[in-house]
Amino acid sequence: GAVVSQHPSRVICKSGTSVKIECRSLDFQATTMFWYRQFPKQSLMLMATSNEGSKATYEQGVEKDKFLINHASLTLSTLTVTSAHPEDSSFYICSETASRAGDTQYFGPGTRLTVL
Amino acid sequence: GENVEQHPSTLSVQEGDSAVIKCTYSDSASNYFPWYKQELGKGPQLIIDIRSNVGEKKDQRIAVTLNKTAKHFSLHITETQPEDSAVYFCAARRDYKLSFGAGTTVTVRA
Repeated sequence: GAVVSQHPSRVICKSGTSVKIECRSLDFQATTMFWYRQFPKQSLMLMATSNEGSKATYEQGVEKDKFLINHASLTLSTLTVTSAHPEDSSFYICSETASRAGDTQYFGPGTRLTVL
Repeated sequence: GENVEQHPSTLSVQEGDSAVIKCTYSDSASNYFPWYKQELGKGPQLIIDIRSNVGEKKDQRIAVTLNKTAKHFSLHITETQPEDSAVYFCAARRDYKLSFGAGTTVTVRA
């Protein structure tokens, strides 16, 4: 099956700094990538959707200037949390649609962000 | 937008018994319904999915049923094993956006 990787798996940073999370497709070319965040014991909340070479579409209530998404290639998407604050601490998960798999959506392993 | 409700929120079963999780959705235009299993500290793993032109699908011990008229779909796990313990999420998709249920924490007692 399709494999999606994320890096780093865990990150701890100081308040006010920026953190970049990478999401890679390892065995397919993703037509669409999604970024989710998940708080403890809660469901997944979609933050934004992106297609290669175009600007991301953000969900209502998600600040596009705070959560920068770059989808530079069919195999790489990055999420940068700018000027992070403790309330940004969460589990961030990317997801990708593999066109060859008939638009099945696969998820990465997630990145645990802790902002001190 | 789409609203997905999932029940129960927690489910405890004896090893070897069956587990059933039910979901309802609101948007009749949704046409794809995946189920994900999430273990602690990990990303969701697709375990089975069903499309709107199919009423039932089975993969070994896992099966999913879909009733489009009633707008509900269910996950059935038979012969449960301790490794089935996890949080399970149903989802419904319209266009490219997945809407998730709140999740069901399944505990399989040995």
